[in-house]
Amino acid sequence: AQTVTQSQPEMSVQEAETVTLSCTYDTSESDYYLFWYKQPPSRQMILVIRQEAYKQQNATENRFSVNFQKAAKSFSLKISDSQLGDAAMYFCAYRTSFGNEKLTFGTGTRLTIIP
Amino acid sequence: DAGVIQSPRHEVTEMGQEVTLRCKPISGHDYLFWYRQTMMRGLELLIYFNNNVPIDDSGMPEDRFSAKMPNASFSTLKIQPSEPRDSAVYFCASSAGGQETQYFGPGTRLLVL
Repeated sequence: AQTVTQSQPEMSVQEAETVTLSCTYDTSESDYYLFWYKQPPSRQMILVIRQEAYKQQNATENRFSVNFQKAAKSFSLKISDSQLGDAAMYFCAYRTSFGNEKLTFGTGTRLTIIP
Repeated sequence: DAGVIQSPRHEVTEMGQEVTLRCKPISGHDYLFWYRQTMMRGLELLIYFNNNVPIDDSGMPEDRFSAKMPNASFSTLKIQPSEPRDSAVYFCASSAGGQETQYFGPGTRLLVL
């Protein structure tokens, strides 16, 4: 079974600085998808960014980018120019490309932005 | 686009009562998922449907939980009888076949006293 590990329960960063959240996963599959979701205090789950395993190029969405290391099974999220609105829980998630559609989530990292 | 709609947003009930959570997926999406989020277990998939048919219900905790999808625009998750350990946030999500991204609703916060 696939597992997703987020080893940083909490992180903090100064406003306007850069922070990197870590995520590792375990799978025997070669094709899959990885996601970062953000959950602010409102509890809404918001997609931040996604990565297809077959793509070598790291995904980027504005201030958010990933460092995808397939061999190391690592999928970190970098937030540049951190803003107060970035404060939230961040969840890493895995989905296989074939068969079951379910997302497997990590335990989350709580990000605090220091003004 | 309206996004995934869930109701109610908050529910407080007493142990033993029946609870029904509702979800309207994004129009055109043919996959619907029910997740539960607790402090102890994190986010876990309960069940998902494809074209209104349940595909994987292995995450449903026990017979007290049941889910239905009578049509493409509506699903329910029912707990009968409810217990305090069912207290959690329940999310509904939907996705379109061939698209890997799931879009989540705002969740229903359930408290069973």
